[in-house]
Amino acid sequence: DGGITQSPKYLFRKEGQNVTLSCEQNLNHDAMYWYRQDPGQGLRLIYYSQIVNDFQKGDIAEGYSVSREKKESFPLTVTSAQKNPTAFYLCASTIGPGRGSPLHFGNGTRLTVT
Amino acid sequence: DQQVKQNSPSLSVQEGRISILNCDYTNSMFDYFLWYKKYPAEGPTFLISISSIKDKNEDGRFTVFLNKSAKHLSLHIVPSQPGDSAVYFCAAAATGTASKLTFGTGTRLQVTL
Repeated sequence: DGGITQSPKYLFRKEGQNVTLSCEQNLNHDAMYWYRQDPGQGLRLIYYSQIVNDFQKGDIAEGYSVSREKKESFPLTVTSAQKNPTAFYLCASTIGPGRGSPLHFGNGTRLTVT
Repeated sequence: DQQVKQNSPSLSVQEGRISILNCDYTNSMFDYFLWYKKYPAEGPTFLISISSIKDKNEDGRFTVFLNKSAKHLSLHIVPSQPGDSAVYFCAAAATGTASKLTFGTGTRLQVTL
């Protein structure tokens, strides 16, 4: 079955450490996205990539970094510069940057930083 | 600035009745709207969408209505079922924005027996 795999489901880190969240898709989608969800808030866009080796900042990119070396993979690194890293992180993909195909989401990674 | 607003954080409806979830937007550039359903600890799943050239789109028990002049859309679920209990997010996008969706804060729907 095609889908988006995010791992791990739960992640715990100490403050000051960088951490990388994995996102893999086998849908052959060109575009991939990272969103963050906080309690009582909608999903906010961190970074997105429309094609391999290219990515753009979303609305809340500060303290995060990404890479897109392969079509199927879009890892997100939460750096120590991110002031409030504890959140639920969601990866998504879509066939292309047009509007015809809605985003497909993974099941998320809950990151807790203490 | 919240460009997509869901002013009701929660809604409780009896099984078999109609659920109406509302969403307002402020950005007049938005021309594509979607509803997603989300269970706890899972990613959102796409439910239904509507383009600004339409004012209604129907898919089974789910209907989305769009009122462009009021910048308002609503999701109707008829009849509501216990399995519909989830958080519903409204999302919007503008042409040429690379499928970047702006999400509302969500409405938690509880369908009671």
